[in-house]
Amino acid sequence: GAGVSQSPSNKVTEKGKDVELRCDPISGHTALYWYRQSLGQGLEFLIYFQGNSAPDKSGLPSDRFSAERTGGSVSTLTIQRTQQEDSAVYLCASSYGGQQGSGYTFGSGTRLTVV
Amino acid sequence: AQSVTQLGSHVSVSEGALVLLRCNYSSSVPPYLFWYVQYPNQGLQLLLKYTSAATLVKGINGFEAEFKKSETSFHLTKPSAHMSDAAEYFCAVSENSGNTPLVFGKGTRLSVIA
Repeated sequence: GAGVSQSPSNKVTEKGKDVELRCDPISGHTALYWYRQSLGQGLEFLIYFQGNSAPDKSGLPSDRFSAERTGGSVSTLTIQRTQQEDSAVYLCASSYGGQQGSGYTFGSGTRLTVV
Repeated sequence: AQSVTQLGSHVSVSEGALVLLRCNYSSSVPPYLFWYVQYPNQGLQLLLKYTSAATLVKGINGFEAEFKKSETSFHLTKPSAHMSDAAEYFCAVSENSGNTPLVFGKGTRLSVIA
């Protein structure tokens, strides 16, 4: 597609439920990133996929968070047993290759609210 | 480890006035530096980037930023603010030789007063 697509745009879930957030990157972009944006906290890096390499999971805040990328394209971020502190906007971005100089293209995000 | 500090979580300027948003970075290797803008309920949009070419970088919407190695700064400026510039602005840093993901500052919200 023309841009990075994320779904759903908004998600309200009950504490303790699992949620899946989807990201469809720009066609041909081999690198995909997930960030979390909390109010006043900027963007917190979660996980990074580059081609067929093992993902960089160093930013995942707990083992309740996981992500996969199928066929080098679509990615799903899963949060198990959601907690209220997981409420945030989850942003996905993609870039061409792993070189950081090209900058990222961001999706519009998924706003997650845990009640 | 890299880091970014944006001075001022909120900056307010009058329409037509100079915009100055401050960003200082920390990096043990030559950096790539970026400014992104986020309008309400939207994702981040790249404004401009420094990738070790010219130190004065021009971006979209009349914004520019200057890389100053001696001051470890990459401040964003615009000579004359417009109402449409009201948004959240993020500075980000990455290593220029590797694949480490961008590290973002906490953002500065720009308000423009008529």
